[in-house]
Amino acid sequence: GESVGLHLPTLSVQEGDNSIINCAYSNSASDYFIWYKQESGKGPQFIIDIRSNMDKRQGQRVTVLLNKTVKHLSLQIAATQPGDSAVYFCAENIDNAGNMLTFGGGTRLMVKP
Amino acid sequence: ETGVTQSPTHLIKTRGQQVTLRCSSQSGHNTVSWYQQALGQGPQFIFQYYREEENGRGNFPPRFSGLQFPNYSSELNVNALELDDSALYLCASSSGPRVATFGSGTRLTVV
Repeated sequence: GESVGLHLPTLSVQEGDNSIINCAYSNSASDYFIWYKQESGKGPQFIIDIRSNMDKRQGQRVTVLLNKTVKHLSLQIAATQPGDSAVYFCAENIDNAGNMLTFGGGTRLMVKP
Repeated sequence: ETGVTQSPTHLIKTRGQQVTLRCSSQSGHNTVSWYQQALGQGPQFIFQYYREEENGRGNFPPRFSGLQFPNYSSELNVNALELDDSALYLCASSSGPRVATFGSGTRLTVV
């Protein structure tokens, strides 16, 4: 498949370590945020979301933190696995329907075995 | 439950031509959005369709147009293709406040 994110910032971690991917969003009126994972040749895949009335949300091995004061999101992946290698995008929501997303530039995560 | 399917997967067109890309939404999803993803960048919102009408548009010229059909499937049409239109075109479907589900995209190359 085609390569996604040839010129993206890259985070390289050792298998088993924790990963932290950061994102700055642009619109202070955004009230819903989503992290997506995109593997080569595939469309973005939902990981976790958070609403602006929350500061933290946890999923299975993933945690999203939201700092509205500085318009910053982070995605923490615990015990990173080779299958986590992909490009990660944060997206902010322009309306409340879950569509009409504004995506950030993305970060490539590379997991070393 | 089937996911979002897009066709074709790859396409090569000549500058100035027209192209139609197709998307079948996930079962039960009535809203479809289209995104353009240039190589090395995040997806950019083109427009959204709900109940067969355009329901929001990003910063794309009128030569980008779309349709949604009664079965919620959708088409993206691009007229007068330019070299910069070369990108991965992603379709996403959703129903109400649910998170959008993306298809694998159509890779369009304009030469």
